[in-house]
Amino acid sequence: DTAVSQTPKYLVTQMGNDKSIKCEQNLGHDTMYWYKQDSKKFLKIMFSYNNKELIINETVPNRFSPKSPDKAHLNLHINSLELGDSAVYFCASSRSTSYGYTFGSGTRLTVV
Amino acid sequence: GENVEQHPSTLSVQEGDSAVIKCTYSDSASNYFPWYKQELGKRPQLIIDIRSNVGEKKDQRIAVTLNKTAKHFSLHITETQPEDSAVYFCAASKGATSGTYKYIFGTGTRLKVLA
Repeated sequence: DTAVSQTPKYLVTQMGNDKSIKCEQNLGHDTMYWYKQDSKKFLKIMFSYNNKELIINETVPNRFSPKSPDKAHLNLHINSLELGDSAVYFCASSRSTSYGYTFGSGTRLTVV
Repeated sequence: GENVEQHPSTLSVQEGDSAVIKCTYSDSASNYFPWYKQELGKRPQLIIDIRSNVGEKKDQRIAVTLNKTAKHFSLHITETQPEDSAVYFCAASKGATSGTYKYIFGTGTRLKVLA
């Protein structure tokens, strides 16, 4: 009965590989987000989708491609992984009419 | 551009004392200010929030104050306990863009409550 779930929780991979992180929410929210938290704990927005439509696309390398097959899912695919991509990636969701976020438990990505 | 500054970056207090964390935002259109608590290895969780039409809000040992003129807001934790130890983030948002609310987060404050 987890509200916002991300998989995998941990991901260790080599430079140059392609990987995906999946996010699902069962709260009935229509807006979903990806945030990146770096080693200094700074949280920075990457993308936001509202009803499967990309609304926010911050300055993120085009190696990062989000995909929202439906309102309850927002996946993040990363091509040609680099050392600097190592971070914790958080998915979050909210209602389009409300400010409040619910975060997922995060995916710790380590690129070696 | 939009910016939220947060101070201090680390804060140590004795159990039972009060802790205050301050944030300053740059965009005067910001109208919603949440505070999140992130325990080690866990997700950020909302602990309190305030909207721009209110100057102060309190929830048990936690309170938030907002000064719109000065563009700063603060988190106050009274009677701190060891379980209050965590990283605290402030954030600012200026409303929905096509149904999505973008937060600009502060850089975080690591609070340690010493028993």
